[in-house]
Amino acid sequence: AQSVTQLDSQVPVFEEAPVELRCNYSSSVSVYLFWYVQYPNQGLQLLLKYLSGSTLVKGINGFEAEFNKSQTSFHLRKPSVHISDTAEYFCAVRVGAAGNKLTFGGGTRVLVKP
Amino acid sequence: GAVVSQHPSWVICKSGTSVKIECRSLDFQATTMFWYRQFPKQSLMLMATSNEGSKATYEQGVEKDKFLINHASLTLSTLTVTSAHPEDSSFYICSARDRGGRQYEQYFGPGTRLTVT
Repeated sequence: AQSVTQLDSQVPVFEEAPVELRCNYSSSVSVYLFWYVQYPNQGLQLLLKYLSGSTLVKGINGFEAEFNKSQTSFHLRKPSVHISDTAEYFCAVRVGAAGNKLTFGGGTRVLVKP
Repeated sequence: GAVVSQHPSWVICKSGTSVKIECRSLDFQATTMFWYRQFPKQSLMLMATSNEGSKATYEQGVEKDKFLINHASLTLSTLTVTSAHPEDSSFYICSARDRGGRQYEQYFGPGTRLTVT
């Protein structure tokens, strides 16, 4: 069974500074990888996804992530954060094309300070 | 874009009563819908997968008699929490997969906050 680990439960960062959220997964088969953002009392919004091809994927709101198969990682980055990026971020994995379920990491709370 | 709604957005009920939560795909048909539960400051835990016209598949440890799921149409799935207890208080989120869209994509609803007193 696959698992997803988000190494940082909370990341404080100053406005306009860069941020990196770490995500590692464990799976012996091919996976689809996702990053979602959740604002307070809301559902999840897809930031970006890796399915195949280029290991660097760009998403909405200036976020990007890099898939590293050898390190089984999918870290999320943004070069300059805004106050509005304060939210909870979830990494998720879905196993292969036949898989149905998303397995989520524990989440990372990003708090952007002015 | 694909929109999923949930109703109600929040509900308070007394212990021992039942409460129904609706999940609707507004602009697409969803053959598969998923129900998640999220405790405060925690991640989403999949409770069950429902396919239109068939019985839901529950994750290990989820009581199917307590959390009744009905996926009666291609745009509606309901979760009924029966005989609710305070420990059932949580944030319930549904997601749906577009029948005609990319198989890997799930669209999430805004969530329903349930408080059992």
